[in-house]
Amino acid sequence: GAGVSQSPSNKVTEKGKDVELRCDPISGHTALYWYRQSLGQGLEFLIYFQGNSAPDKSGLPSDRFSAERTGGSVSTLTIQRTQQEDSAVYLCASTFSLDYEQYFGPGTRLTVT
Amino acid sequence: QKEVEQNSGPLSVPEGAIASLNCTYSDRGSQSFFWYRQYSGKSPELIMFIYSNGDKEDGRFTAQLNKASQYVSLLIRDSQPSDSATYLCAVTNSGGGADGLTFGKGTHLIIQP
Repeated sequence: GAGVSQSPSNKVTEKGKDVELRCDPISGHTALYWYRQSLGQGLEFLIYFQGNSAPDKSGLPSDRFSAERTGGSVSTLTIQRTQQEDSAVYLCASTFSLDYEQYFGPGTRLTVT
Repeated sequence: QKEVEQNSGPLSVPEGAIASLNCTYSDRGSQSFFWYRQYSGKSPELIMFIYSNGDKEDGRFTAQLNKASQYVSLLIRDSQPSDSATYLCAVTNSGGGADGLTFGKGTHLIIQP
């Protein structure tokens, strides 16, 4: 079956611009996660959704980051006024609720110039 | 602050030998443990998960968990060149719902033909 999909696969943007990253989870998966992987760093958890709600937003790096999920499916991660330190691969993962195995999408490579 | 520690490597193992990858974690409340494989430029791929103390075998892979020592390992038998990748250890303390994973920075494994 179809896995987690993300778009765009690559995004180059100028410092100060806003970007929107999209994640389409595996069909039927109610939980969705966003992670960030910077060069030479481990994966950093950002936020998760159970259904459409995000109980804990404390993992988001700054108030420039926001995320939403509608219809219990697609999620978007928005970064406003991008900075060079936002350059990273942004990964989305999904899982069945109460099933802890998270399956990752291919990621979006964001480069801020 | 939850931490997951792994030796960054590289760990070099001859083809056909057993590769042993180790991970320690700081949060005693951790309940679920995962090993992901990540090829360069690709997203993490789930290899194994383990929830209970002891060993869990799946094909050439064996995960070992010791909660008292806060230690989890992955053994790869009959190592193949295609096993060369970065192996990420991840933990979560979810008690009954979805939660973000805390990842180690990974061990770079090289299987020498």
